[in-house]
Amino acid sequence: EAQVTQNPRYLITVTGKKLTVTCSQNMNHEYMSWYRQDPGLGLRQIYYSMNVEVTDKGDVPEGYKVSRKEKRNFPLILESPSPNQTSLYFCASSLSPTPPDTQYFGPGTRLTVL
Amino acid sequence: QKEVEQDPGPLSVPEGAIVSLNCTYSNSAFQYFMWYRQYSRKGPELLMYTYSSGNKEDGRFTAQVDKSSKYISLFIRDSQPSDSATYLCAMRNAGNNRKLIWGLGTSLAVNP
Repeated sequence: EAQVTQNPRYLITVTGKKLTVTCSQNMNHEYMSWYRQDPGLGLRQIYYSMNVEVTDKGDVPEGYKVSRKEKRNFPLILESPSPNQTSLYFCASSLSPTPPDTQYFGPGTRLTVL
Repeated sequence: QKEVEQDPGPLSVPEGAIVSLNCTYSNSAFQYFMWYRQYSRKGPELLMYTYSSGNKEDGRFTAQVDKSSKYISLFIRDSQPSDSATYLCAMRNAGNNRKLIWGLGTSLAVNP
């Protein structure tokens, strides 16, 4: 089954404790991105990757890191999480560089930083 | 002013009603217009896609783009309780930049 998986689905942590949210897709997609979704602010792109070893900042990259060492994986790293990073996070991937360029979203990771 | 404006609702309708969901935008360079549906506790999924102006129909769903007014709509006919979800519009320019500009989403409840 074609899918984007994320782990963990739920995470409660404390300020400053490094964490990684994993994302994996089995569709051989080149493009992957991370979003956060907050009430009243909607979906905002954090980072994206056009291909292996090619990453770039989205709209809200501060406090986040990513890497793309393999095509299928795109982990999101919070080196020193803070309460304002409490949010719902989505990983997404897409294949075609041309529209509609359907983005397939993972199920989401709900992160709470105390 | 945001590039894309979408009324967050919530919108509550009886089963069988025709639903109209709308977004306005300010960037005349947008060429590709998408509607995503997001069920509670799930990621968004692409519902409809339209290029430039015009209408597109898929079953009970019709997407409409009016570029002269910078206005897009999604119509749902014979709405069902299973249509209860948040509907997000998204749009982007032509070219290789795949950055989507998202609306905030409209929450829809279809009551049996």
